[in-house]
Order: sequence, then structure tokens, then C-alpha cells
Amino acid sequence: LAKTTQPISMDSYEGQEVNITCSHNNIATNDYITWYQQFPSQGPRFIIQGYKTKVTNEVASLFIPADRKSSTLSLPRVSLSDTAVYYCLVGFVMDSSYKLIFGSGTRLLVRP
Amino acid sequence: DTGVSQDPRHKITKRGQNVTFRCDPISEHNRLYWYRQTLGQGPEFLTYFQNEAQLEKSRLLSDRFSAERPKGSFSTLEIQRTEQGDSAMYLCASSERSGRRYEQYFGPGTRLTVT
Repeated sequence: LAKTTQPISMDSYEGQEVNITCSHNNIATNDYITWYQQFPSQGPRFIIQGYKTKVTNEVASLFIPADRKSSTLSLPRVSLSDTAVYYCLVGFVMDSSYKLIFGSGTRLLVRP
Repeated sequence: DTGVSQDPRHKITKRGQNVTFRCDPISEHNRLYWYRQTLGQGPEFLTYFQNEAQLEKSRLLSDRFSAERPKGSFSTLEIQRTEQGDSAMYLCASSERSGRRYEQYFGPGTRLTVT
């Protein structure tokens, strides 16, 4: 079954590191894992993308184990403005065709 | 602003009416995607184009839905005989073609309300 699973919500405090994990057991071979941030009434915004091991950019890190059945988005030192919904996006092969599937999203609340 | 734009941003229509949405992708992007998002859910893939060719359609895209991308530029999504269940945010995204590596840039969406 092609499915991505994320925690529904997470709470954190300003300055803390936040790790959000997405499970994707049947990810398509050679497919990349992408994470997006979404604020209310806006389209999702690209955060980071990776294939395996670790990727880091100016806003986040992405950790992908060797089996690629999960990925973890790491947000260092979150601020109030990081309060948003975070989605993973993964490709699966279903019925011989390729499908892009978003996770259900993790609602992150950053408290002062 | 050279990002993805969508028009209109909001649409209220009565059940049974037809509606059409437009998406203008980033100019150098040859892939264009349509998604539907309902409240509290992640975006659901509807269809995507590579240039003017529609390469994939979700089963969510019933025969009341049709999408086009003439000349590989802007795209339109039409819903015929709208139903209340069609109420959602319709998102458009574009990306460059690069195999399975796709950094999709999303537009602000069109919020459809069917009364």
C-alpha cells in the first residue's frame, strides 16, 4: 500500500530543535523525498529534498536511512514563524504508474 | 513576481455550474501539476503535464474534470456540473524536468466553494 505517515501535531518552544519523521515504506526506486511548509491560505513552500543519507541547506536538514523507508526533517532552533503544517512528498509506483503522494501533514506549534 | 500564479483566488458557485481555473507556471518550467486540498488534509494529486502533454491523471479526476495546457504554457482546470464535494483549494505547481528530482513551486491556490 502506497502511503506516507506523519505525526498529526507537534509542540515545541522557540530555540529548540524539531524533528518530524515521515514513513514511506514503498517509496519508488530512485525517487526523491521532498518536504514542504504550508501556512494557512497559502500554497506549500519547498523546504528541502533528498535521496539518501543527509542533506542540509540554510533552513533545515533531512536525514534518510539506508532503507529509505522513512525520512526525518530537522528544523534547528525554531522560531514562532515556523508554526505551520509540514508535509513530506514521496513518489510511489502503483498499478504500474507513478504517483506523487503527500503525507497528511504535521501541524507544528512553536510557543514562546 | 515570477512565481506561479493562479486565477481566481476565490470562486463561489452554485451547484451544477461550470467553473474554470487558470494557472500560469514559472516560465522556464515544463512540468505543471494540479492538486486538490481539503481542510486539514495534504494536497491530493490530480494530474500533471510535461509541456502540453498530460502524462498522468488521478482517479480523483472524474469525467467532470478536464485539464489542458495548450502550447505548454498556462493551464486551465475546468469542473463541469459542480457538486458540493468539489469545494476545496485547487493548487497548481510547476517544476523543471529532471527525472524524479522535482522541486515543485506552488501557486497560492484557488479556493472553490460550491453552495
